[in-house]
Amino acid sequence: AQKITQTQPGMFVQEKEAVTLDCTYDTSDQSYGLFWYKQPSSGEMIFLIYQGSYDEQNATEGRYSLNFQKARKSANLVISASQLGDSAMYFCAMITNFGNEKLTFGTGTRLTIIP
Amino acid sequence: GAGVSQSPSNKVTEKGKDVELRCDPISGHTALYWYRQSLGQGLEFLIYFQGNSAPDKSGLPSDRFSAERTGGSVSTLTIQRTQQEDSAVYLCASSFMGNLYNEQFFGPGTRLTVL
Repeated sequence: AQKITQTQPGMFVQEKEAVTLDCTYDTSDQSYGLFWYKQPSSGEMIFLIYQGSYDEQNATEGRYSLNFQKARKSANLVISASQLGDSAMYFCAMITNFGNEKLTFGTGTRLTIIP
Repeated sequence: GAGVSQSPSNKVTEKGKDVELRCDPISGHTALYWYRQSLGQGLEFLIYFQGNSAPDKSGLPSDRFSAERTGGSVSTLTIQRTQQEDSAVYLCASSFMGNLYNEQFFGPGTRLTVL
């Protein structure tokens, strides 16, 4: 079975600072993908970044980067130069080769950016 | 192009009534997923379609829940004899194909309230 753990239910960060959102995962599959999604108060799920288990380099997308540490089974999201619009729920999710293509989600972290 | 659309956006129903929730995936996407998000929780997988067939129905919480997909496009999630614990946001997602590497695009969700 697959499991995603997000241990930070809420975080407050000063605008323009960098923030790291923690995510650890558990799977016995060798092939898997890790995703981060953002969910603003409007409710939509917005894809941010993807990391494949065989990718040797950490994924980056603009201000988002994924700190992938395979041996530790962690996939932390780093947001640089945070903005007020970054305030939202953030979900880490995983898909595995033998997980029937479904995303397994963590419980999320509510990020609040303080002006 | 158009994203994933869902209807209705909100549904209030009385306990014991049946409801139908609709999802229109992105054109050309072969894989379609239903998830449920209860208040303050992460997303819970319900069912996955590849084309018109559902290889994985493992997430359906009871036999009151069923889903179908026709023409490899529109999907309907039906909840019979609704209960108050069915109240949640039901999210639909689609991807080009169901595998590790394809981002799932989410719709805006249907908020279901069972009185």
